Amino acid sequence: AQKITQTQPGMFVQEKEAVTLDCTYDTSDPSYGLFWYKQPSSGEMIFLIYQGSYDQQNATEGRYSLNFQKARKSANLVISASQLGDSAMYFCAMRVAGGFKTIFGAGTRLFVKA
Amino acid sequence: KAGVTQTPRYLIKTRGQQVTLSCSPISGHRSVSWYQQTPGQGLQFLFEYFSETQRNKGNFPGRFSGRQFSNSRSEMNVSTLELGDSALYLCASSIQGAGTDTQYFGPGTRLTVL
Repeated sequence: AQKITQTQPGMFVQEKEAVTLDCTYDTSDPSYGLFWYKQPSSGEMIFLIYQGSYDQQNATEGRYSLNFQKARKSANLVISASQLGDSAMYFCAMRVAGGFKTIFGAGTRLFVKA
Repeated sequence: KAGVTQTPRYLIKTRGQQVTLSCSPISGHRSVSWYQQTPGQGLQFLFEYFSETQRNKGNFPGRFSGRQFSNSRSEMNVSTLELGDSALYLCASSIQGAGTDTQYFGPGTRLTVL
């Protein structure tokens, strides 16, 4: 069975500092995709970054980077230079090839302090 | 390109009633998935459709059903509403629903059952 674990229910970070949100996953399928989404209080899920299981390099998208350690089955999100607008819930998610569904972690609520 | 749209955005129903939620995917996307989000259970997968066929279904009672039309628009129906059905219902679309496909979410429909 597939599983996503996010162990940090809440995190605080000072504005302009970097923050790492943890995510570990479990699957026996060799082909999968890992995703991070941001959910502001409005409720909409905003796609941030994607990492494929066969990708050799860590994904980056602007201020977001994904620290992918395949052997440890971790896919941590790093947000550099935090902004007040980064305050939101962050979800780590996984899709396996042929599974036709996305599994989400419980989420981490990030608070950015001025 | 227009994003995923969901209607209605808010709904208030009473127990025993039924409800139909609608989702229009991004143009060119043929896979549509539905998720239920509650504070207690988090994000849970409901079902996934591709080319009018349901490819996967989550662990929900038969009161929850869905369908997809030839233009890829999708509807989900909940019959005999219960208080526990109060949730944010999110629809997501992707090109083909493959493991590497990024899903893009709509703004959600917030259902309140009284």
